[in-house]
Amino acid sequence: GEDVEQSLFLSVREGDSSVINCTYTDSSSTYLYWYKQEPGAGLQLLTYIFSNMDMKQDQRLTVLLNKKDKHLSLRIADTQTGDSAIYFCAVVYSSASKIIFGSGTRLSIRP
Amino acid sequence: EPEVTQTPSHQVTQMGQEVILRCVPISNHLYFYWYRQILGQKVEFLVSFYNNEISEKSEIFDDQFSVERPDGSNFTLKIRSTKLEDSAMYFCASSGDRGDQPQHFGDGTRLSIL
Repeated sequence: GEDVEQSLFLSVREGDSSVINCTYTDSSSTYLYWYKQEPGAGLQLLTYIFSNMDMKQDQRLTVLLNKKDKHLSLRIADTQTGDSAIYFCAVVYSSASKIIFGSGTRLSIRP
Repeated sequence: EPEVTQTPSHQVTQMGQEVILRCVPISNHLYFYWYRQILGQKVEFLVSFYNNEISEKSEIFDDQFSVERPDGSNFTLKIRSTKLEDSAMYFCASSGDRGDQPQHFGDGTRLSIL
């Protein structure tokens, strides 16, 4: 079946790097996404990676994909207080265009 | 940057009443979706829509739910007879000319059933 798993919480010190991990079950995925949700707000598409890529970098964000282990990670360099949010890993499968979401990782920043 | 807009931001409805949630997808997008997020739970897929018909729907999307694209810009979700368990945040999304392209979400409509 289709499932996406994430840890629920992550706490990092301001200025450190944050690494949010995600695992998924179905290997037929095409695109893999990271969405950010701030309190009371919608889902903001942060970045995405196509399944034939291993890494994508976009300013402070680095996405790593290990297809063999079905593992996706999001690294945020120099984490700032504005990065506090829930981060959702999400996977699109080739058999359908629906997105399967993880449960979200709540990132909190310590001073 | 173009965005998906949803109205209203918050809808309060009596149980058993009909409710229509409205969405304006990004103008050149062809694929449209509804998702919901019950408080404290995962975001769940409801339905996808392309070429004026439903492409796929989840088991949540039963006969009480329907979607429509009444004109060239709006995409609506109707719940015919609301139940308490329909209380959730409902998100509309759209994507470009292929179903697996990135989906862009609106800010959601919070539906509260009393």
